[in-house]
Amino acid sequence: DQQVKQNSPSLSVQEGRISILNCDYTNSMFDYFLWYKKYPAEGPTFLISISSIKDKNEDGRFTVFLNKSAKHLSLHIVPSQPGDSAVYFCAATNKLIFGTGTLLAVQP
Amino acid sequence: EAQVTQNPRYLITVTGKKLTVTCSQNMNHEYMSWYRQDPGLGLRQIYYSMNVEVTDKGDVPEGYKVSRKEKRNFPLILESPSPNQTSLYFCASGLYNSPLHFGNGTRLTVT
Repeated sequence: DQQVKQNSPSLSVQEGRISILNCDYTNSMFDYFLWYKKYPAEGPTFLISISSIKDKNEDGRFTVFLNKSAKHLSLHIVPSQPGDSAVYFCAATNKLIFGTGTLLAVQP
Repeated sequence: EAQVTQNPRYLITVTGKKLTVTCSQNMNHEYMSWYRQDPGLGLRQIYYSMNVEVTDKGDVPEGYKVSRKEKRNFPLILESPSPNQTSLYFCASGLYNSPLHFGNGTRLTVT
């Protein structure tokens, strides 16, 4: 039973446009969420996080939104760049339960 | 440089031949963990350790063992590997409830 779900296996956007990656979770006890980015042949690297006491956290081009009532979070990348092409995982603490990942392709 | 180092990066072995994947971190982190990544299943936790001599099962511990005799090392042991353990493995470390640092992965093939 997947507690953290990423229903879009892949996403393709044009350079300069917005990328929106979505994540749903089932456990209302989760209180901390993270996004990781993974390039081929490398381990995941931390991108941005959000605590459940907030509904938005911003870091440069990356913004994470949390909708607790819908048990949904999203990652916005604006503007998207070709170097953003990677697999993105959302995760929920405490045991870092990961989603299945979304492959983002940013077309030049 | 702060890092998590896994060895080997690639490993091909046969069913039943015991193997160990090593993991070492130089950041003095208490928390360490092993994950496997499989297509369509994301990253699933195998075992984790909150500190030296403290280990616990994750979501998919069957067929694996770990040990944490020193803070920096957290080896993953497959006593009798089987083909369904063919996967990409990641070790990670961090402070509890903080973002984890991941190694670059070990691609294991069991024939």
